[in-house]
Amino acid sequence: GAVVSQHPSRVICKSGTSVKIECRSLDFQATTMFWYRQFPKQSLMLMATSNEGSKATYEQGVEKDKFLINHASLTLSTLTVTSAHPEDSSFYICSAAFDQETQYFGPGTRLLVL
Amino acid sequence: QKEVEQNSGPLSVPEGAIASLNCTYSDRVSQSFFWYRQYSGKSPELIMSIYSNGDKEDGRFTAQLNKASQYVSLLIRDSQPSDSATYLCAVRVVDFNKFYFGSGTKLNVKP
Repeated sequence: GAVVSQHPSRVICKSGTSVKIECRSLDFQATTMFWYRQFPKQSLMLMATSNEGSKATYEQGVEKDKFLINHASLTLSTLTVTSAHPEDSSFYICSAAFDQETQYFGPGTRLLVL
Repeated sequence: QKEVEQNSGPLSVPEGAIASLNCTYSDRVSQSFFWYRQYSGKSPELIMSIYSNGDKEDGRFTAQLNKASQYVSLLIRDSQPSDSATYLCAVRVVDFNKFYFGSGTKLNVKP
């Protein structure tokens, strides 16, 4: 299957700082990238959908000023958690789709905010 | 009503048995259907996709789609302990260009 990478895989930060997570599609050009969050023992929650060169579409209840998404190229999308707080600690997973038919997931980023 | 519904399980089967995982979805213009496997602490990985009514086989996995009944299933033959994971059903809705995920069914394959 297609390869999607995420960096960093794990990050620990202090409350109030900002954290940037990168998502790259390594062997295809992704027309759409998705950002999910998953709390322990819970299902995936879609945060936003981003298309290259346009503004991300956020799901209801997700603060767009807190979770900044940039999809600057067909192979790179970034999620910045601004002014992170302990309640933002979660498993953040991106996925990429190149044909609008199939999503391939990155390995995820585990964020811990102290 | 949720877009995609799955029994959360856990579903326990003995090694070598057939595991049957089920998923129902809402009546929208759903076009594409996917099964993902997620091991604890890992991200989901794609197992199969299915687009038309009927069965689709890939190794030990068979996906079954019945659009009239709004039902998609995944059969795992000769289940192995390594198949123990949470299985997520996903549906793509073409008119919103969105993917909807079920909450997943936890499968335990006992040696």
